[in-house]
Amino acid sequence: KAGVTQTPRYLIKTRGQQVTLSCSPISGHRSVSWYQQTPGQGLQFLFEYFSETQRNKGNFPGRFSGRQFSNSRSEMNVSTLELGDSALYLCASSLAPGAHNEKLFFGSGTQLSVL
Amino acid sequence: QKEVEQNSGPLSVPEGAIASLNCTYSDRVSQSFFWYRQYSGKSPELIMSIYSNGDKEDGRFTAQLNKASQYVSLLIRDSQPSDSATYLCAVTKGNTPLVFGKGTRLSVIA
Repeated sequence: KAGVTQTPRYLIKTRGQQVTLSCSPISGHRSVSWYQQTPGQGLQFLFEYFSETQRNKGNFPGRFSGRQFSNSRSEMNVSTLELGDSALYLCASSLAPGAHNEKLFFGSGTQLSVL
Repeated sequence: QKEVEQNSGPLSVPEGAIASLNCTYSDRVSQSFFWYRQYSGKSPELIMSIYSNGDKEDGRFTAQLNKASQYVSLLIRDSQPSDSATYLCAVTKGNTPLVFGKGTRLSVIA
């Protein structure tokens, strides 16, 4: 069974540009969560999607957005990139929402560098 | 006060020793507690979950939870160099997203 697939693996952008990251969950998983990981702040929650609906949103500015498609694949978009957006963006999937009962499986992440 | 706090380390232990990793959380209504391991350059992977007070053992790993004191710990017995990684504590209540600590870096010295 294939794991969570994130593309691209690495991305270099300049300030002001926008970027779209993609995540394909494990087959059969319908819930997708996104996290930002930086050395200073650790793992911070961005969004959670289930059945194409955003269930939860973290404390990030509106420049960060996401969506989920009918096949459970998800994308996140960051517009007007800032230097501070440089981070590892991790996607995690589970069978259903609610980390209380559902094991999260993480993808390898997209390393975004903003110059 | 941070929601989930961990000592950043590094925590260095000799091979074969017990490594003890600690985590405190601020939200008293937290219900579920997890330990993830993250090797350098890799993504986090779940190694333990615990939901009720007491100890939970899985192989060389033991998770301990004390809700009254709001702390959760992870013991790794017979530590191996392959256990060298960053260990992330994560907490949730009900159907809310996981809140992670910043992690403790463990180094097992051969």
